[in-house]
Amino acid sequence: DIQMTQSPSSLSASVGDRVTITCRASQSISSSVNWYQQRPGKAPKLLIYTASSLQSGVPSRFRGSGSGREFTLTISSLQPEDFATYYCQQSYISETFGQGTKLEI
Amino acid sequence: QVQLVQSGAEMKKPGASVKVSCKASGYTFTGYYLHWVRQAPGQGLEWMGWINPQSGVTDYAQTFQGRVTMTRDTSISTAYMEMSRLRSDDTAVYYCTTLLAVDAFDIWGQGTVVTVSS
Repeated sequence: DIQMTQSPSSLSASVGDRVTITCRASQSISSSVNWYQQRPGKAPKLLIYTASSLQSGVPSRFRGSGSGREFTLTISSLQPEDFATYYCQQSYISETFGQGTKLEI
Repeated sequence: QVQLVQSGAEMKKPGASVKVSCKASGYTFTGYYLHWVRQAPGQGLEWMGWINPQSGVTDYAQTFQGRVTMTRDTSISTAYMEMSRLRSDDTAVYYCTTLLAVDAFDIWGQGTVVTVSS
């Protein structure tokens, strides 16, 4: 099975900050990584697919990059609604999620 | 509009079974694989498996093989996830999700809370 190691597990930041979340795969997975945002009590919401493509309707402050084994999600200028938990997911072989990054004020 | 609507919360005793439904609307149900993902309280997302609604072919994560069965009824555009021999650590929110417009889970159900307790 492909493991996805996400870091950090939690992150404190302020409105306006730039933050980066990293996901490392246990083997090369090309660009088969997606990123989701989850607010408490809600279903996950797709932000980025195939490593760097912005999902329709998602603000451009969200950016994904990477290929092979290392991937990043960057939020360029945090807004109040961005404080949530973020997950990476690989779809190269079957599906696996990272353990999540909780972004807190 | 495109949506997945799941059945309501369930409370079960250890050893029992649960069957959660996921009704699709706004798109061609048989055209897109339907996946199930669960989330235990305070924990991350765990992929459970998928069903091809057109053929009924399934693929389950190793963790759930032998305990989970995914089925569908194309006449009512509904998928089902049944889990048997429930344990307390199966207490979770169960989501159905599909890959509609892009190669990622872009449509999600609202989630179904399953509580396993004696």
